[in-house]
Amino acid sequence: DIVLTQTPLSLSVSPGQSAAISCKSSQSLLYSDGKTYLYWYLQKPGQPPQLLIYEVSNRFSGVSDRFSGSGSGTDFTLKISRVEAEDVGVYYCMQSLQLPKTFGQGTKVEIK
Amino acid sequence: EVQLLESGGGLVQPGGSLRLSCAASGFMFGNYVMNWIRQLPAKGLEWVSGISVSSGTYYADSVKGRFTISRDNSKNTLYLQMDSLRAEDTAFYYCAQGVSLDYWGQGTLVTVSS
Repeated sequence: DIVLTQTPLSLSVSPGQSAAISCKSSQSLLYSDGKTYLYWYLQKPGQPPQLLIYEVSNRFSGVSDRFSGSGSGTDFTLKISRVEAEDVGVYYCMQSLQLPKTFGQGTKVEIK
Repeated sequence: EVQLLESGGGLVQPGGSLRLSCAASGFMFGNYVMNWIRQLPAKGLEWVSGISVSSGTYYADSVKGRFTISRDNSKNTLYLQMDSLRAEDTAFYYCAQGVSLDYWGQGTLVTVSS
């Protein structure tokens, strides 16, 4: 199985500051079709996860442009600009290059 | 608006069975891969099973041979038949749409305990 390792596991950010979460994969997530199958989700307290970013850097419908994804191959980053109170929760990366789909351990983001 | 509503969770004894359902609306259900993902209490996420548009089925090793995923496109409903349940299957179970897990339901809690 592909292992995804997120760092840090927790993050405390002041409102208006930026935050970055890393996700490293045990193997390249680049497929022969040229796409890279890495996704980011946010699970707000008491809610199911919601898709933020698909295929490394594409924002899902309705997602704020304060969220951006980057990276390639095995190293990926989610950046949150101008952090707001509504951004608190646990962020997960996920790969769907091969089954089973696997998730990172999650990064808990809180506001200072 | 895409909506996914899970049901069927509850308390079951080890070795018992449960059938989860996920009622879908707001999209062409038959045109999408569907998935079940679970979340152990206060823990991370684990993909459990997926079913293709043509009803090809896929499972995590941890549930293979015990769980069966199916779909009824005429009822816009996804199912997960869970047999030989173990304590370690205790979790919130979510259904999710698509290869990208674009949308998730609110989840249903399965507790396996004597």
